Amino acid sequence: EVQLLESGGGLVQPGGSLRLSCAASGFTFSTYAMTWVRQAPGKGLEWVSGISGSGFSTHYADSVKGRFTISRDNSKNTLYLQINSLTVDDTAIYYCAKVHSSGSSDYFDYWGQGTLVTVSS
Amino acid sequence: QLVLTQSPSASASLGASVKLTCTLSSGYSSYAIAWHQQQPNKGPHYLMILKSDGSHSKGDGIPDRFSGSSSGAERYLTISSLQSEDEADYYCQTWGIGIHNVFGGGTKLTVL
Repeated sequence: EVQLLESGGGLVQPGGSLRLSCAASGFTFSTYAMTWVRQAPGKGLEWVSGISGSGFSTHYADSVKGRFTISRDNSKNTLYLQINSLTVDDTAIYYCAKVHSSGSSDYFDYWGQGTLVTVSS
Repeated sequence: QLVLTQSPSASASLGASVKLTCTLSSGYSSYAIAWHQQQPNKGPHYLMILKSDGSHSKGDGIPDRFSGSSSGAERYLTISSLQSEDEADYYCQTWGIGIHNVFGGGTKLTVL
Protein backbone atom coordinates (compact mmCIF):
# COMPACT_ATOMS: atom_id res chain seq x y z
CA GLU A 1 0.00 0.00 0.00
CA VAL A 2 1.39 3.37 -1.02
CA GLN A 3 1.70 5.79 1.90
CA LEU A 4 2.93 9.37 1.92
CA LEU A 5 3.37 11.12 5.27
CA GLU A 6 4.23 14.81 5.38
CA SER A 7 5.77 16.58 8.36
CA GLY A 8 7.58 19.77 9.24
CA GLY A 9 4.78 22.31 9.00
CA GLY A 10 4.10 24.89 11.65
CA LEU A 11 3.80 28.56 12.52
CA VAL A 12 6.57 30.75 11.20
CA GLN A 13 7.11 34.49 11.01
CA PRO A 14 7.32 36.33 7.70
CA GLY A 15 10.81 36.01 6.28
CA GLY A 16 11.36 32.73 8.08
CA SER A 17 12.15 29.25 6.78
CA LEU A 18 10.89 25.71 7.14
CA ARG A 19 11.85 22.32 5.82
CA LEU A 20 9.02 20.00 4.92
CA SER A 21 9.48 16.24 4.65
CA CYS A 22 7.46 13.51 3.02
CA ALA A 23 8.18 9.92 4.01
CA ALA A 24 7.17 7.45 1.32
CA SER A 25 6.50 3.72 1.50
CA GLY A 26 4.82 0.98 -0.47
CA PHE A 27 6.57 1.57 -3.80
CA THR A 28 10.08 1.80 -5.27
CA PHE A 29 10.68 5.43 -4.40
CA SER A 30 13.62 6.11 -6.72
CA THR A 31 11.63 4.98 -9.76
CA TYR A 32 9.07 7.77 -9.57
CA ALA A 33 9.04 11.53 -9.75
CA MET A 34 7.51 13.34 -6.79
CA THR A 35 5.82 16.67 -6.41
CA TRP A 36 4.57 19.24 -3.91
CA VAL A 37 1.15 20.87 -4.22
CA ARG A 38 -0.28 23.46 -1.85
CA GLN A 39 -3.73 24.69 -0.96
CA ALA A 40 -4.30 28.07 0.66
CA PRO A 41 -7.24 28.30 3.10
CA GLY A 42 -10.51 28.03 1.18
CA LYS A 43 -8.73 27.94 -2.18
CA GLY A 44 -7.94 25.38 -4.87
CA LEU A 45 -4.87 23.29 -5.54
CA GLU A 46 -1.67 24.95 -6.73
CA TRP A 47 1.28 23.00 -8.07
CA VAL A 48 4.50 24.13 -6.37
CA SER A 49 7.44 21.97 -7.43
CA GLY A 50 8.43 18.63 -8.92
CA ILE A 51 11.52 16.43 -8.99
CA SER A 52 12.43 13.49 -11.19
CA GLY A 53 13.04 10.01 -9.80
CA SER A 54 16.79 10.44 -9.98
CA GLY A 55 16.64 13.88 -8.43
CA PHE A 56 18.58 15.42 -11.29
CA SER A 57 15.67 17.36 -12.75
CA THR A 58 13.65 19.88 -10.76
CA HIS A 59 10.87 22.31 -11.66
CA TYR A 60 9.18 25.16 -9.81
CA ALA A 61 6.12 27.34 -10.12
CA ASP A 62 7.00 30.96 -10.85
CA SER A 63 5.46 31.98 -7.53
CA VAL A 64 8.11 30.09 -5.53
CA LYS A 65 11.14 30.05 -7.84
CA GLY A 66 14.26 31.20 -6.03
CA ARG A 67 12.71 30.73 -2.57
CA PHE A 68 11.79 27.02 -2.51
CA THR A 69 14.12 24.07 -3.08
CA ILE A 70 12.90 20.54 -3.70
CA SER A 71 15.16 17.57 -3.06
CA ARG A 72 14.98 13.88 -2.30
CA ASP A 73 16.99 11.22 -0.53
CA ASN A 74 16.31 7.95 -2.31
CA SER A 75 18.23 6.00 0.34
CA LYS A 76 15.72 7.23 2.93
CA ASN A 77 12.61 7.21 0.69
CA THR A 78 12.05 10.82 1.65
CA LEU A 79 11.09 13.95 -0.27
CA TYR A 80 11.90 17.43 1.01
CA LEU A 81 10.86 21.01 0.40
CA GLN A 82 13.02 23.78 1.79
CA ILE A 83 10.96 26.95 1.93
CA ASN A 84 12.69 30.29 2.57
CA SER A 85 11.70 33.97 2.70
CA LEU A 86 8.17 33.03 3.64
CA THR A 87 5.32 35.51 3.17
CA VAL A 88 1.71 35.38 4.33
CA ASP A 89 0.78 34.25 0.82
CA ASP A 90 2.66 31.00 1.46
CA THR A 91 0.18 30.03 4.18
CA ALA A 92 -1.30 26.75 3.00
CA ILE A 93 -1.56 23.04 3.47
CA TYR A 94 1.35 21.46 1.62
CA TYR A 95 0.75 18.05 0.05
CA CYS A 96 3.28 15.71 -1.40
CA ALA A 97 2.17 13.46 -4.21
CA LYS A 98 3.62 10.59 -6.18
CA VAL A 99 3.90 11.12 -9.93
CA HIS A 100 2.85 8.26 -12.19
CA SER A 101 6.24 8.09 -13.96
CA SER A 102 9.91 8.87 -13.45
CA GLY A 103 9.67 12.23 -15.17
CA SER A 104 7.90 15.01 -13.33
CA SER A 105 5.51 15.75 -16.19
CA ASP A 106 2.69 13.29 -15.59
CA TYR A 107 -0.35 12.85 -13.41
CA PHE A 108 -0.36 12.40 -9.64
CA ASP A 109 -1.64 8.99 -8.55
CA TYR A 110 -1.18 9.09 -4.77
CA TRP A 111 -1.39 11.94 -2.28
CA GLY A 112 -0.42 12.52 1.32
CA GLN A 113 -2.65 14.07 3.96
CA GLY A 114 -0.74 17.33 4.03
CA THR A 115 1.12 19.51 6.52
CA LEU A 116 -0.03 23.02 7.43
CA VAL A 117 2.29 25.98 7.09
CA THR A 118 1.07 29.19 8.69
CA VAL A 119 3.01 32.40 8.12
CA SER A 120 2.10 35.09 10.61
CA SER A 121 3.70 37.61 12.89
CA GLN B 1 -1.46 29.33 -22.26
CA LEU B 2 -2.76 26.05 -20.88
CA VAL B 3 -5.76 26.65 -18.65
CA LEU B 4 -8.34 24.26 -17.24
CA THR B 5 -11.81 25.66 -16.61
CA GLN B 6 -14.32 24.11 -14.21
CA SER B 7 -17.69 25.32 -12.97
CA PRO B 8 -17.38 26.38 -9.32
CA SER B 9 -20.33 24.35 -8.13
CA ALA B 10 -22.73 21.55 -9.00
CA SER B 11 -25.50 19.74 -7.20
CA ALA B 12 -27.57 16.60 -7.63
CA SER B 13 -29.84 14.43 -5.56
CA LEU B 14 -28.91 11.33 -3.63
CA GLY B 15 -29.10 8.34 -5.97
CA ALA B 16 -29.04 10.47 -9.12
CA SER B 17 -26.21 11.07 -11.60
CA VAL B 18 -24.08 14.15 -12.19
CA LYS B 19 -21.66 15.11 -14.95
CA LEU B 20 -18.80 17.47 -14.14
CA THR B 21 -16.89 19.27 -16.87
CA CYS B 22 -13.27 20.34 -17.28
CA THR B 23 -12.47 22.39 -20.38
CA LEU B 24 -8.99 22.68 -21.89
CA SER B 25 -7.99 26.01 -23.35
CA SER B 26 -7.72 26.53 -27.09
CA GLY B 27 -4.93 24.58 -28.76
CA TYR B 28 -4.73 21.93 -26.07
CA SER B 29 -7.73 19.77 -26.92
CA SER B 30 -5.57 16.65 -27.37
CA TYR B 31 -4.28 16.70 -23.81
CA ALA B 32 -5.14 14.09 -21.23
CA ILE B 33 -6.28 15.09 -17.78
CA ALA B 34 -6.58 13.47 -14.37
CA TRP B 35 -9.53 13.80 -12.02
CA HIS B 36 -8.98 14.11 -8.29
CA GLN B 37 -11.51 14.10 -5.45
CA GLN B 38 -11.07 16.02 -2.21
CA GLN B 39 -13.53 15.21 0.53
CA PRO B 40 -13.98 17.78 3.30
CA ASN B 41 -10.90 18.21 5.49
CA LYS B 42 -8.98 15.50 3.66
CA GLY B 43 -6.15 15.37 1.16
CA PRO B 44 -6.93 14.90 -2.53
CA HIS B 45 -7.45 11.42 -3.91
CA TYR B 46 -6.72 10.35 -7.47
CA LEU B 47 -9.77 9.10 -9.37
CA MET B 48 -8.70 8.51 -12.98
CA ILE B 49 -6.70 9.56 -15.98
CA LEU B 50 -8.84 10.54 -18.97
CA LYS B 51 -7.51 10.80 -22.53
CA SER B 52 -8.84 12.78 -25.47
CA ASP B 53 -10.37 9.68 -27.03
CA GLY B 54 -12.41 9.07 -23.87
CA SER B 55 -10.40 6.12 -22.68
CA HIS B 56 -9.75 6.23 -18.97
CA SER B 57 -7.98 4.29 -16.25
CA LYS B 58 -9.14 4.51 -12.68
CA GLY B 59 -7.15 4.47 -9.50
CA ASP B 60 -7.11 1.65 -6.98
CA GLY B 61 -10.51 0.96 -5.45
CA ILE B 62 -12.44 3.60 -7.38
CA PRO B 63 -16.02 2.35 -7.76
CA ASP B 64 -17.65 1.67 -11.12
CA ARG B 65 -20.02 4.57 -10.35
CA PHE B 66 -17.23 6.89 -11.47
CA SER B 67 -16.59 7.14 -15.20
CA GLY B 68 -14.98 9.52 -17.65
CA SER B 69 -15.60 10.67 -21.20
CA SER B 70 -14.29 13.28 -23.64
CA SER B 71 -15.59 15.50 -26.42
CA GLY B 72 -13.22 17.90 -28.14
CA ALA B 73 -11.61 20.06 -25.48
CA GLU B 74 -14.04 18.94 -22.80
CA ARG B 75 -13.35 16.24 -20.28
CA TYR B 76 -16.17 14.84 -18.19
CA LEU B 77 -16.48 13.03 -14.90
CA THR B 78 -19.79 11.25 -14.42
CA ILE B 79 -20.81 9.97 -11.02
CA SER B 80 -23.86 7.73 -10.96
CA SER B 81 -25.96 6.52 -8.01
CA LEU B 82 -24.74 9.48 -5.96
CA GLN B 83 -23.94 8.78 -2.35
CA SER B 84 -23.45 11.21 0.51
CA GLU B 85 -19.70 10.55 0.57
CA ASP B 86 -19.46 11.83 -3.01
CA GLU B 87 -20.00 15.34 -1.68
CA ALA B 88 -16.56 16.79 -2.27
CA ASP B 89 -14.45 19.10 -4.38
CA TYR B 90 -13.37 17.71 -7.74
CA TYR B 91 -10.24 18.94 -9.50
CA CYS B 92 -8.90 18.27 -12.95
CA GLN B 93 -5.15 18.32 -13.60
CA THR B 94 -3.09 18.30 -16.75
CA TRP B 95 0.58 18.28 -17.67
CA GLY B 96 2.92 18.38 -20.64
CA ILE B 97 6.56 18.42 -21.65
CA GLY B 98 7.85 21.85 -20.81
CA ILE B 99 4.53 22.80 -19.24
CA HIS B 100 4.12 23.07 -15.52
CA ASN B 101 1.40 20.99 -13.99
CA VAL B 102 -1.94 22.80 -14.10
CA PHE B 103 -5.06 22.42 -12.00
CA GLY B 104 -8.56 23.57 -12.72
CA GLY B 105 -10.23 25.76 -10.13
CA GLY B 106 -12.28 22.86 -8.81
CA THR B 107 -15.99 22.06 -8.66
CA LYS B 108 -17.76 21.80 -5.33
CA LEU B 109 -20.34 19.01 -5.59
CA THR B 110 -23.30 19.10 -3.24
CA VAL B 111 -25.42 15.98 -2.81
CA LEU B 112 -28.98 17.01 -1.98
